[in-house]
Amino acid sequence: EAQVTQNPRYLITVTGKKLTVTCSQNMNHEYMSWYRQDPGLGLRQIYYSMNVEVTDKGDVPEGYKVSRKEKRNFPLILESPSPNQTSLYFCASSPGTSGIGQYFGPGTRLTVT
Amino acid sequence: QQPVQSPQAVILREGEDAVINCSSSKALYSVHWYRQKHGEAPVFLMILLKGGEQKGHEKISASFNEKKQQSSLYLTASQLSYSGTYFCGTQKDADKLIFGTGTRLQVFP
Repeated sequence: EAQVTQNPRYLITVTGKKLTVTCSQNMNHEYMSWYRQDPGLGLRQIYYSMNVEVTDKGDVPEGYKVSRKEKRNFPLILESPSPNQTSLYFCASSPGTSGIGQYFGPGTRLTVT
Repeated sequence: QQPVQSPQAVILREGEDAVINCSSSKALYSVHWYRQKHGEAPVFLMILLKGGEQKGHEKISASFNEKKQQSSLYLTASQLSYSGTYFCGTQKDADKLIFGTGTRLQVFP
């Protein structure tokens, strides 16, 4: 089944404790992206990657890191999480960036205390 | 710059029609439309590229006015399954996708 998977789905952590949220897609998509969703603010792009080893900042990249060593995986790293990073995170992928929609993963709900 | 969606919320009875608008202050390359049901991930509905084309998907269609930098989503003869939050996403270039804050649609029997 074609899908985007994220792990973990739920995470409660403490301020400053490094964490990684994994994202994997099995559709051989070139483009992958991370978004955060907060009430009243919609979906905001954190980072995106147009191909392996190519990543770029979205609108809210502060406090996050990403890497794209393989086509299928695009982990999101929070080196020192803070409470303002409490949010619902979505990973998405698409075959390209031109004229094509994105497939979203199920989401990861992160709480930082 | 986030696109502006209007209205913020819509309440409908089954069978009624609705229009959701999306406006940008920047020249656009494309407009995406997604629907998100409560507790689920957004699902892609359709994409419109500059050129003013209109697209349709069953009773849901959309238009894109490139000159006005606006797109509208038309929901005809709404069904209960149409309930959810609708997001437009705009691209100035073929890379970043910037989403609006969403329009919540509720359809009642």
